[in-house]
Amino acid sequence: AQKVTQAQTEISVVEKEDVTLDCVYETRDTTYYLFWYKQPPSGELVFLIRRNSFDEQNEISGRYSWNFQKSTSSFNFTITASQVVDSAVYFCALTLYNQGGKLIFGQGTELSVKP
Amino acid sequence: DAGVIQSPRHEVTEMGQEVTLRCKPISGHNSLFWYRQTMMRGLELLIYFNNNVPIDDSGMPEDRFSAKMPNASFSTLKIQPSEPRDSAVYFCASRLLRDRGETQYFGPGTRLLVL
Repeated sequence: AQKVTQAQTEISVVEKEDVTLDCVYETRDTTYYLFWYKQPPSGELVFLIRRNSFDEQNEISGRYSWNFQKSTSSFNFTITASQVVDSAVYFCALTLYNQGGKLIFGQGTELSVKP
Repeated sequence: DAGVIQSPRHEVTEMGQEVTLRCKPISGHNSLFWYRQTMMRGLELLIYFNNNVPIDDSGMPEDRFSAKMPNASFSTLKIQPSEPRDSAVYFCASRLLRDRGETQYFGPGTRLLVL
């Protein structure tokens, strides 16, 4: 069975701190895709990044970076120099190549960045 | 460009009433998903369509739920009769089906409260 685990339910940091959100996934398939979405207090789900299972390169986008390690089945997300606007719930999700696109979501990590 | 549009944004109804949620996918997208978000179960897929055809409805909770996609620009999710346990946020997402891992873009959601 496929599963995504975000063990950190809530994280609280002070502005300008770096913070890493953990994501561990389970699948026996060799072809799959991983995603991160952000859900701010307004409630919408905002796409952040997509990775396929054959691309283990880390990615950096501004203050955001992602570390994908197949050896540990992890796809962690780091925010550098956090800001109050980063406060949101962040979801990691998995879809398998042969599942037609169904996203399997983790339970989410609620990040609170305090000024 | 317009994103995924959902209506209504909020719905309050009484138990036993019929509820219809509407979704307009991003223009040109040919794959549409309905998800439900609750505190207890998190985000879960209800049903998805490719080229207006339902592909997987295994997530639809029971016969009270039905979904249609009469054309590429419109989909509905209907609950009849509604029950208090249907209270949740319902998200519609769309994607361009080029490969099976394409990113899904979410609408703002419909917050449903059944009294």
